[in-house]
Amino acid sequence: GAVVSQHPSRVICKSGTSVKIECRSLDFQATTMFWYRQFPKQSLMLMATSNEGSKATYEQGVEKDKFLINHASLTLSTLTVTSAHPEDSSFYICSARVDGTYEQYFGPGTRLTVT
Amino acid sequence: AQSVTQLGSHVSVSEGALVLLRCNYSSSVPPYLFWYVQYPNQGLQLLLKYTTGATLVKGINGFEAEFKKSETSFHLTKPSAHMSDAAEYFCAVSDGEGGATNKLIFGTGTLLAVQP
Repeated sequence: GAVVSQHPSRVICKSGTSVKIECRSLDFQATTMFWYRQFPKQSLMLMATSNEGSKATYEQGVEKDKFLINHASLTLSTLTVTSAHPEDSSFYICSARVDGTYEQYFGPGTRLTVT
Repeated sequence: AQSVTQLGSHVSVSEGALVLLRCNYSSSVPPYLFWYVQYPNQGLQLLLKYTTGATLVKGINGFEAEFKKSETSFHLTKPSAHMSDAAEYFCAVSDGEGGATNKLIFGTGTLLAVQP
């Protein structure tokens, strides 16, 4: 149980285009999901907290207009990187918190490369 | 504010030797503490967690960690390293049940190498 999937696992896009990444909790409900960014050989940096049915809460320094988050259902959150640039290339990881608990389960990550 | 410090960005041990990965935390509220493992190009897998109760917690793959409040530490150990243990390990803290957000704050990670 407690499986989180991400799609796609890897994406290459051209500079200026937008990319959508999906995060799904497969066997549990998650009112709250989290989006992280990880640069090579570095730790995970929390970008935003995604709440079903309400606006996401962004961490300081994260551009909410560039990283659009939509949490439309109890099992799906999406992160859209708008007008992507090479500096947005990174490994994006989501996690989902099991409702009623403190436990978070992580997706396998999405490798974004912007050319 | 909460923070996590992992001493040693790289640790190398011989197969069969003791593994010790260090983690110290800072928290103004009783913390929840976690260890995660990450294999290359993959997400994070929970190894073990401390919330309340017994301070020595056992996790998967033979790992365990002890919460020491007086030392603000949560070091990860394994008696005998296996080649498959080679990975990146992250310590994390959250503000626990009833906390404002249950956000996880991660340390910078420790890359464990296991030599044959």
